[in-house]
Parts: sequence; structure tokens; C-alpha cells
Amino acid sequence: SAVISQKPSRDICQRGTSLTIQCQVDSQVTMMFWYRQQPGQSLTLIATANQGSEATYESGFVIDKFPISRPNLTFSTLTVSNLSPEDSSIYLCSVGPGGANEKLFFGSGTQLSVL
Amino acid sequence: SQQGEEDPQALSIQEGENATMNCSYKTSINNLQWYRQNSGRGLVHLILIRSNEREKHSGRLRVTLDTSKKSSSLLITASRAADTASYFCGGSNSGYALNFGKGTSLLVTP
Repeated sequence: SAVISQKPSRDICQRGTSLTIQCQVDSQVTMMFWYRQQPGQSLTLIATANQGSEATYESGFVIDKFPISRPNLTFSTLTVSNLSPEDSSIYLCSVGPGGANEKLFFGSGTQLSVL
Repeated sequence: SQQGEEDPQALSIQEGENATMNCSYKTSINNLQWYRQNSGRGLVHLILIRSNEREKHSGRLRVTLDTSKKSSSLLITASRAADTASYFCGGSNSGYALNFGKGTSLLVTP
């Protein structure tokens, strides 16, 4: 299993600013992912955070808008840049400590509201 | 890309009744997982079923998988008010990240 600490739990930001979300895991994990959940919607994978190399982004998500850092096997950050009201969502980090074909664990999420 | 599509999108039942949710997916999978989300917060893992399994049980939960129809169902028996939540299925065809469906919102009234 894995215990994930995600910060902040919620924030209200002004248009044009940025928000950095932190994800700390209590054990070393190879696989770490970032998801977005827009209001009333399901989860959409933003990217896979790779330790020591650039993140792998899904279609529709770009590094300039969602820069990701993964300095070690227990920590990652997601920045949502140049915020607009359309970025208002819940952002969740997820880890797969068991490796491929095993369950994922999720952080408690960051509720972002952009004014 | 979206993998699963849950049906129904919303379900309202009384305590003690059974709740059944269905999930369909588009591409082949290695496993399918069901999660619960309370009040738009983090997801809690419920059960994982592998592509070579047909049925799995965990407490009051029963999951079936039909790979020929690309569908799965989640049955919650003897539901409780605490089961009120959104339920998502997610499929993995890469062995790692999940692609989630739209989810079913379950309301259990006392």
C-alpha cells in the first residue's frame, strides 16, 4: 500500500497566475500519475511523472501548461500555469506501488477554483 | 482517452436494497478496477479484476467481467447510507495508468 499526502487540499486563484500542487508518498514508487477531474466529470490522465526525466503527457496536455517535476521516487509536483476559469477542477496524484497490473492509490485531491 | 462508460449515470435506492452498476470499455484491458469517490475527493480502491477472471467478491461487493462484451458490473448488496458516493471503473491496457469511465452517482436513502 501507499499513503499519499497531497497539498494544498484546495485553493482559489486569480486568472493568469499559477498553482503548484505537491504529492508526497510514504514509500518509493516507480509509477506516479497526475489526473484532472473537471466538475461533474470523470478523471482524465494528464501525464505520467517520470523520475529523472521529462514527464510523459497525454494527448491534449502540454508541458508549458502543466509542468511536472519528479526529483525522486517519493515526490512530485504539478504546476497549472496561466490559470483560466476552465482550469477549475480537482487535480489528483496517483501511484502504483505494486507495479504493472496492480491497483493504484490516490491522493485526496486538490480542489482548484479560478476566478 | 475515456475507457469505460458507466451505466446508469445516477442511481437512487433505499438502504438494504442492492445496487448494480455497469461499465463498458472500448479497448482490450489487462485489468479493470472499481473505485469509490466521496464528495469529489480522493478515490478509494474497491476491487481489481484481471482479464482472465470472470467474477470476484469482496465483502458486500461482487464484480463480474465479460471480456467478450467488454463490460463489467459492480453489485453492492444490502446497501447502506454510507455507500452513497460516486463509483468509477478504470481499465488498464498498458499495465500502468488507468483510463476511467464517467462514473455512477449512487444515493442510498435511509
